[in-house]
Amino acid sequence: GAGVSQSPSNKVTEKGKDVELRCDPISGHTALYWYRQRLGQGLEFLIYFQGNSAPDKSGLPSDRFSAERTGESVSTLTIQRTQQEDSAVYLCASSLPQGYTDTQYFGPGTRLTVL
Amino acid sequence: AQKVTQAQTEISVVEKEDVTLDCVYETRDTTYYLFWYKQPPSGELVFLIRRNSFDEQNEISGRYSWNFQKSTSSFNFTITASQVVDSAVYFCALSEAENNAGNMLTFGGGTRLMVKP
Repeated sequence: GAGVSQSPSNKVTEKGKDVELRCDPISGHTALYWYRQRLGQGLEFLIYFQGNSAPDKSGLPSDRFSAERTGESVSTLTIQRTQQEDSAVYLCASSLPQGYTDTQYFGPGTRLTVL
Repeated sequence: AQKVTQAQTEISVVEKEDVTLDCVYETRDTTYYLFWYKQPPSGELVFLIRRNSFDEQNEISGRYSWNFQKSTSSFNFTITASQVVDSAVYFCALSEAENNAGNMLTFGGGTRLMVKP
């Protein structure tokens, strides 16, 4: 079946603009995660959705970052008033219902460049 | 708090050599999962293996093998007879059972493996 998809694959924006990144999880995967990967570094957890609720937003780096999820499908990560330090690859992952046994499958990511 | 350390930032080997990627973790949970992911130059993270904290048996899958030792909090990954296609960044990750963030993964910094022909 189809894997996790993300759009756009690349986004270049000017400092101060808002951007919206989209994630389509694997069908049937109720858990959805956003991570950020800065150049040459590991992944940092941003936010987790179980269904359309987000029990843990502690990873969001500032109040300029927000995320929503419609039901158990598409999620959007919004960054307002982008800054150069927001430049990174934003990765989305999905897994079966909550449980520490469940493997996360990742999308190809959105490479965000803030000029 | 959980932490994953991959001390080797970059490893270079010649094709057909064996190579071991180290991973050391910290957690206060008694129940947790450990993972390895591969990130080839294309950028997509590819799941390789998941191991739970109660199963210390080593695992072998083709040229890949994993050595999990709770006594040293390590989960090392060995590639036997490396190939150029193994060139990638490899990430070790930890998921704890007791958190509010589902299966949130804590990643190590990654090890870049370069296999030369």
